[in-house]
Amino acid sequence: SQQGEEDPQALSIQEGENATMNCSYKTSINNLQWYRQNSGRGLVHLILIRSNEREKHSGRLRVTLDTSKKSSSLLITASRAADTASYFCAISGIQGAQKLVFGQGTRLTINP
Amino acid sequence: DAGVTQSPTHLIKTRGQQVTLRCSPKSGHDTVSWYQQALGQGPQFIFQYYEEEERQRGNFPDRFSGHQFPNYSSELNVNALLLGDSALYLCASSLRTNFYGYTFGSGTRLTVV
Repeated sequence: SQQGEEDPQALSIQEGENATMNCSYKTSINNLQWYRQNSGRGLVHLILIRSNEREKHSGRLRVTLDTSKKSSSLLITASRAADTASYFCAISGIQGAQKLVFGQGTRLTINP
Repeated sequence: DAGVTQSPTHLIKTRGQQVTLRCSPKSGHDTVSWYQQALGQGPQFIFQYYEEEERQRGNFPDRFSGHQFPNYSSELNVNALLLGDSALYLCASSLRTNFYGYTFGSGTRLTVV
């Protein structure tokens, strides 16, 4: 299966701490993306990292990709209560680059 | 610049009925994809439309069908509804030639009773 698998399934930290979520997958990819979802509503695109990239930054977000280990991580620095959400990795395979396969997500809770 | 618009936001249907969900993509986007998200799960790819044709399809039965119109908007139709079809249905739009990820709508919550 191409499906990305997030780890941990749930994460609870104090405001101001850093949060790290991991994603593993099984096949070759075109790119890997991270999305955020608040309260079961629409997903918000965070970052896309291509298979030939190793690291990308966007504000307080840092994504790494290790294609040899078939894994990615999302780091959120200096967490805020508003970061409380579910985070999904989604992989885009070699065939059909715009078809994304999502994992089951990590539920992140930021405690004030 | 309007994002992705989905309608209706909530819907309750009876088993065996048919339902149509609608999606208007983000301005400038030409590709529409549909996803089904069961409670507590990640979204599952249903199908994708580009140039008014179904281009890719996930592992969903023929009861799920769709359409894309010349203005790039799209419909998802589900026939002979089952209780298991209850889910959040998400529409996502993108640009075929310059893919930087999807813009998702807020979804339609379908409940089948």
